[in-house]
Amino acid sequence: QITLKESGPTLVGPRQTLTLTCNVSGFSLSTSGMGVAWIRQPPGKALEWLALIYWNDDKRYSPSLEKRLTITKDTPKNQVVLRMTDMGPVDTGKYFCAHNVVGAGGGWFDPWGPGYLVTVSP
Amino acid sequence: SYELTQSPSVSVSPGQTSIIDCSGHKLGDKYVSWFQQRPGQSPVLVIYQDNKRPLGIPERFSGSNSGNTATLTISGTQATDEADYYCQSWDSRLAFFGGGTKLTVL
Repeated sequence: QITLKESGPTLVGPRQTLTLTCNVSGFSLSTSGMGVAWIRQPPGKALEWLALIYWNDDKRYSPSLEKRLTITKDTPKNQVVLRMTDMGPVDTGKYFCAHNVVGAGGGWFDPWGPGYLVTVSP
Repeated sequence: SYELTQSPSVSVSPGQTSIIDCSGHKLGDKYVSWFQQRPGQSPVLVIYQDNKRPLGIPERFSGSNSGNTATLTISGTQATDEADYYCQSWDSRLAFFGGGTKLTVL
């Protein structure tokens, strides 16, 4: 059974850097055809894809946030880390990590972690 | 960047068929996934690769994709289907989500 769980700070100050960790189990981050994505959701708003890292360390970023994002993985620790710089109030929301099965056309996200609420405030 | 457009809301009576659309440029040339998100919960995959159902998803959920529109159809809609539904697709190996549709079962 594949599970994912997000962790990190619940409160971040303006202009600070957010570091979130996704702990995965039930699969290896080095298994061919697997990836882990980060997706966020501001309160009451839609889902927004942020970044994706593949088993071969290939990385993809949202064009609108690419300059602020870094995604990395630590395979022995079964962790995927997302860093987002220059945080502002609009970055407040729930951050999800999700397992990506790489398939034709990009694949699909299943399952998702429970999500982690991050608030940006002085 | 690529845009996916969904109607903000759809309302149906129990037992009726719910139709939720997602539009994007040449969307029929891409694969589409659909996610169900109940209040306070994480999204759940209900359709992938346009029309495939993951294990555990009821048969009343189906999907199609052609031209510029992908459609999620819920036959015999139940009260438990009330949720937000998001479409998702890919463009140049980047992922994009629609704005979501709130399904209300009256």
